[in-house]
Amino acid sequence: EVQLVESGGALVQPGGSLRLSCVGSGFTFSRYWMTWVRQAPGKGLEWLANIQQYGGERYYVDSVKGRFSISRDNANNSLYLHMSRLRVEDTAVYYCARGDTTSRYWGQGTLVTVSS
Amino acid sequence: EIVMTQSPATLSVSPGERVILSCRASQSVGTNLAWYQQKPGQAPRLLIYGVSTRLTDLPARFSGSGSGTEFTLTISSLQSEDFAVYYCQQYNSLPPYTFGQGTKLEIK
Repeated sequence: EVQLVESGGALVQPGGSLRLSCVGSGFTFSRYWMTWVRQAPGKGLEWLANIQQYGGERYYVDSVKGRFSISRDNANNSLYLHMSRLRVEDTAVYYCARGDTTSRYWGQGTLVTVSS
Repeated sequence: EIVMTQSPATLSVSPGERVILSCRASQSVGTNLAWYQQKPGQAPRLLIYGVSTRLTDLPARFSGSGSGTEFTLTISSLQSEDFAVYYCQQYNSLPPYTFGQGTKLEIK
């Protein structure tokens, strides 16, 4: 059974940093692109970033370019989202998902709250 | 960045009714269009990709159509479990692979 489990969400002050993690199981992690998507409270889905199987290609939405960085550790079946210079508007549930375009498999999400 | 616009934002319908949800792209996305369903407190669920290809476990009452910039998701006879928020997503060419803002189906 494919499973994705995110962690690392927390309350952080504006301007702060945070690293989210996502561990995959039930599939060969290194064979798949991986993606981060977020959802602000009561709002829609926002595609954030994705990363190729061995990290050679990475793409970001403009709103997070230069502040967020996606990475992975295939040896530990892990995906990361390094977030810096956090803003109040980054408050959201952050999901990891398997795949480069559409995603059949999603984690349950981890909540990031940016507030003073 | 391609902007996806869904209409209407909210649709009040009765069980058994047929509904059509619309999704428009700011530029052509070819047939690179997917639909997701999301229920409160849950992650999105992929329903359809490639405009009209249903996932194997998706009931036949769901169907997708369109191409280019205009797309629809049709639910032929609404069941109670279909009341949710539906999102379209384009994945044409290079990222970002943007979502529409969603259409909420609520019980009339």
